[in-house]
Amino acid sequence: QVQLQESGPGLVKPSQTLSLTCTVSGGSISSGGYYWSWIRQHPGKDLEWIGYIHYSGSTSYNPSLKSRVTISVDTSKNQFSLKLSSVTAADTAVYYCARRFPSIVVWDVWGQGTAVTVSS
Amino acid sequence: EIVMTQSPATLSVSPGERATLSCRASQSVSRHLAWYQQKPGQAPRLLIYGASTRATGIPATFSGSGSGTEFTLTISSLQSEDFAVYYCQQYYNWLSFGQGTKLEI
Repeated sequence: QVQLQESGPGLVKPSQTLSLTCTVSGGSISSGGYYWSWIRQHPGKDLEWIGYIHYSGSTSYNPSLKSRVTISVDTSKNQFSLKLSSVTAADTAVYYCARRFPSIVVWDVWGQGTAVTVSS
Repeated sequence: EIVMTQSPATLSVSPGERATLSCRASQSVSRHLAWYQQKPGQAPRLLIYGASTRATGIPATFSGSGSGTEFTLTISSLQSEDFAVYYCQQYYNWLSFGQGTKLEI
């Protein structure tokens, strides 16, 4: 079965770029027509969709974050990545990578999440 | 933006009893509604999509209903492992999550 695992720094300084990678195991990132997503959960527990990417490179981003977000995919490594620029304390959250259904925007497989704190 | 409102914020139920959780949309989302369960320290787990379709591996004790703006997640005969936070999510117009209902013993 498909499993996802996030990796990246747990601490990022304000104004810098947050970079995370999600490694997909148990299946190919290029098969099934799935979309590969980033979702975050703030300490107050609200869930916020960041964006998603198809293995073809097609992306969609949350309009509220679009100017700062880049999601990319590396099919040779079966990974996809998130870059969030100009971070502030408001970007402190647990970041999840997740697999989105091909035809509807719901997520059926999630990584365990990685906590990222923005602080100097 | 479609705002999703869940009620109650906290629901106290005894094991073996039935729990009914509500989710209201600020405008119609048809049946484009999903439910997730989240336990402390874990990622959300998809329970229901399409308002009433159980995701793979989800037991029949979980059922979803509703359409338009009013939705319900029912958990029959609560087990200890069912006590968690439950979120609804609409995917009719972009997407948005509710703020969650904590189901406690």
